[in-house]
Amino acid sequence: EEQLVESGGDLVQPGGSLRLSCAAAGFLSSTYDIHWVRQGAGQGLEWVSSIGIAGDTYYGASVKGRFTISREDAKNSVYLQVSGLRVGDTAVYYCTRAMDGVPFDLWGPGTLVTVSS
Amino acid sequence: SYEVTQPPSVSVSPGQTASITCSGEKLGEKYVCWYQQKAGQSPVLVIYQDNKRPSGIPERFSGGNSGNTATLTISGTQSMDEADYYCQAWDNSLVIFGGGTKLTVL
Repeated sequence: EEQLVESGGDLVQPGGSLRLSCAAAGFLSSTYDIHWVRQGAGQGLEWVSSIGIAGDTYYGASVKGRFTISREDAKNSVYLQVSGLRVGDTAVYYCTRAMDGVPFDLWGPGTLVTVSS
Repeated sequence: SYEVTQPPSVSVSPGQTASITCSGEKLGEKYVCWYQQKAGQSPVLVIYQDNKRPSGIPERFSGGNSGNTATLTISGTQSMDEADYYCQAWDNSLVIFGGGTKLTVL
């Protein structure tokens, strides 16, 4: 069964950092673009970042310069280093995949990041 | 930056047709996808490339995209279709989501 599982979410103070992980199972994550999407409580979906199969990276305007996406194909995983955290970054962070015109057909259950003093 | 707009809410009676719109400048020139999200669950892809249904998505879900508006249509709406629906497009390599539409079946 194909799965994505996120981990690494936690309670962190403003200005703090975390590394979120997205582990793929049942398929090779190296053959997909992997994206991070977040959702604040009662809010809509917000695209955060993506990494292509060639390692090209993209970021949403609200996180550019603070978040860094990377992939480790040997571990079938993608990571999101989140730094300079703000209260507004509080959200469930989902990872999802896309390939050749078929986007976001598989999502993980999400990991909760809470930024609070 | 590119934006797409959805109505916050749509109501429909069971068995009737629900239409949810997504508007953006020249949106018809881009591919649009739609996601269904039920309370406490991760999103599920229901339409991609404007009008294609992934495996396992019921035929009552359909999509269209022309001009400045994309539309998700649910025919013969069932109570299980009550959820939030999000449209999504690309602006070059950046991903754009609409604000979401809460579909109420009453």
